[in-house]
Amino acid sequence: AQTVTQSQPEMSVQEAETVTLSCTYDTSENNYYLFWYKQPPSRQMILVIRQEAYKQQNATENRFSVNFQKAAKSFSLKISDSQLGDTAMYFCAFMVRTANSGYALNFGKGTSLLVTP
Amino acid sequence: DTGVSQDPRHKITKRGQNVTFRCDPISEHNRLYWYRQTLGQGPEFLTYFQNEAQLEKSRLLSDRFSAERPKGSFSTLEIQRTEQGDSAMYLCASSLEYGKNIQYFGAGTRLSVL
Repeated sequence: AQTVTQSQPEMSVQEAETVTLSCTYDTSENNYYLFWYKQPPSRQMILVIRQEAYKQQNATENRFSVNFQKAAKSFSLKISDSQLGDTAMYFCAFMVRTANSGYALNFGKGTSLLVTP
Repeated sequence: DTGVSQDPRHKITKRGQNVTFRCDPISEHNRLYWYRQTLGQGPEFLTYFQNEAQLEKSRLLSDRFSAERPKGSFSTLEIQRTEQGDSAMYLCASSLEYGKNIQYFGAGTRLSVL
């Protein structure tokens, strides 16, 4: 079974500072995808960033970047120049193709990030 | 461009009643997923459709749960004889068969079973 662990239930960062959210996963698969999703309070989940396991280069999306360490099965998210609108629950998710060609996401328990003025 | 829409947003029911939720995916997406999210947890996969075919079901999907996707368009998730343990947020997501495997989520239906 694929498991995703987010060891930081809550984090806080000041506006304009940088914060890193950690995520580790466990799998025996070689080809898979990793995602960070953001879920603001009472709002829908939106994709922050995506990484393909076969790509060594770390994905970046504007202020968001990842540190993907395949051998260590680690996938951390760095948010630079934090903004108040970044306050949300952040979920790390792992995706692998299932036997029936499905692509179910396995989520961690989430990290609640609070950005303070 | 309309995203994934779910209806209703909130549902309160009494234990033992049946409830049905609807999900309308992004129009060109042929893959559709249902997840359940309980308080303080990440979403858990329930089931997956490719077009109208239900290809994957989690062991979490007990016999009281049934999902359909007639004609490969919208999907419904029905829970029969609801129990208090069914109280959760039910999320729907959709994606393209070919592409970056990105799932787009709806706002969810929050179910409260009294």
